[in-house]
Amino acid sequence: DTAVSQTPKYLVTQMGNDKSIKCEQNLGHDTMYWYKQDSKKFLKIMFSYNNKELIINETVPNRFSPKSPDKAHLNLHINSLELGDSAVYFCASSQDTGGHRTGELFFGEGSRLTVL
Amino acid sequence: GQNIDQPTEMTATEGAIVQINCTYQTSGFNGLFWYQQHAGEAPTFLSYNVLDGLEEKGRFSSFLSRSKGYSYLLLKELQMKDSASYLCAQLDSNYQLIWGAGTKLIIKP
Repeated sequence: DTAVSQTPKYLVTQMGNDKSIKCEQNLGHDTMYWYKQDSKKFLKIMFSYNNKELIINETVPNRFSPKSPDKAHLNLHINSLELGDSAVYFCASSQDTGGHRTGELFFGEGSRLTVL
Repeated sequence: GQNIDQPTEMTATEGAIVQINCTYQTSGFNGLFWYQQHAGEAPTFLSYNVLDGLEEKGRFSSFLSRSKGYSYLLLKELQMKDSASYLCAQLDSNYQLIWGAGTKLIIKP
């Protein structure tokens, strides 16, 4: 059973299109994240949700909109895609303990987005 | 990533030992993580240090010095499958992870 699964794994699309990436975790974790990893391999946090509530929203264009229907799911919708959006997007989850986030993340396999 | 420094690339020989260093800013610290990421795959957790000293886990060990803002990952008896990027990440005072760019480790036979 995959712990953190995201779909699709590969996405090729034209500039200006709208696309979504879905993520689900079956670990019972309280917190889920979206990360962007660009060609330089930096992992940049985009959003974090704790029990369906947004807790981190880094400087990300508002073309990116996360949605968490329940604590096991965190989807990412991207409007009006641009060339610079091409990257690998990782979903991750973590279990809060004692009210603190431990930092141990479980990552999905990544969704490689290519904007042409 | 901001405030995290680690070498971009290192090369080592199969069977040898390699040490990957990481420095971070000491203000606002709640732990130091090492993750392994094989090419085209997701990062996976290797270790977590919050107290000074060495934590050993099989062939991999991680060391932390909080006063120096310094950590290293030590890999022994290197195997070809250890070829990967190794990411250092600091848990800051807001319990957010600050990631380094990773060190690409190349293992040669």
